[in-house]
Amino acid sequence: DQQVKQNSPSLSVQEGRISILNCDYTNSMFDYFLWYKKYPAEGPTFLISISSIKDKNEDGRFTVFLNKSAKHLSLHIVPSQPGDSAVYFCAASAATSGTYKYIFGTGTRLKVLA
Amino acid sequence: GAGVSQSPSNKVTEKGKDVELRCDPISGHTALYWYRQSLGQGLEFLIYFQGNSAPDKSGLPSDRFSAERTGGSVSTLTIQRTQQEDSAVYLCASSFGVSEKLFFGSGTQLSVL
Repeated sequence: DQQVKQNSPSLSVQEGRISILNCDYTNSMFDYFLWYKKYPAEGPTFLISISSIKDKNEDGRFTVFLNKSAKHLSLHIVPSQPGDSAVYFCAASAATSGTYKYIFGTGTRLKVLA
Repeated sequence: GAGVSQSPSNKVTEKGKDVELRCDPISGHTALYWYRQSLGQGLEFLIYFQGNSAPDKSGLPSDRFSAERTGGSVSTLTIQRTQQEDSAVYLCASSFGVSEKLFFGSGTQLSVL
């Protein structure tokens, strides 16, 4: 039972354009969401988060949008740079219900073409 | 260093042997998590600690897997009688609290021959 899904295993984008990575979830109790970036042979690094009381959070080139009714979130990277090429994971937790483990999606491999 | 430290970075073992994986969290972080990533898969939750107690160990795949945390700091993940399907990258993460963002170590690549 995959509670957090990233249905696109890979994505290629031209440098300077927008990258949009999508994530869907099934558990309506999830109330805190994070995005991580992972390079090969390294641990994931935190990018940006959003709580369910918001529908948008922005940090520099990264913006996360949350659509609670659709149980969908997306990460926008503008403009995309070659250094953004990595695997991106979304994760969710249900903190207000006392469930503190983070459930991760399977990841989307982003390739930014120079 | 200031980050999460995991050792060893690589471990090759024979089927049936026991292995211990170590995690040193960031100083002051009360929550500690273990995940694993099998080849081509996402991050699979194993267990998390709040202080020295483990409120959720629901992700441990079998009773061959166990983990402990002492002094609210270092954690050890032990796999007994390793099997080939245990081969994966084992990732440790820590956070200031259970509802805070996670900081990950670089992982231990476990290969069971």
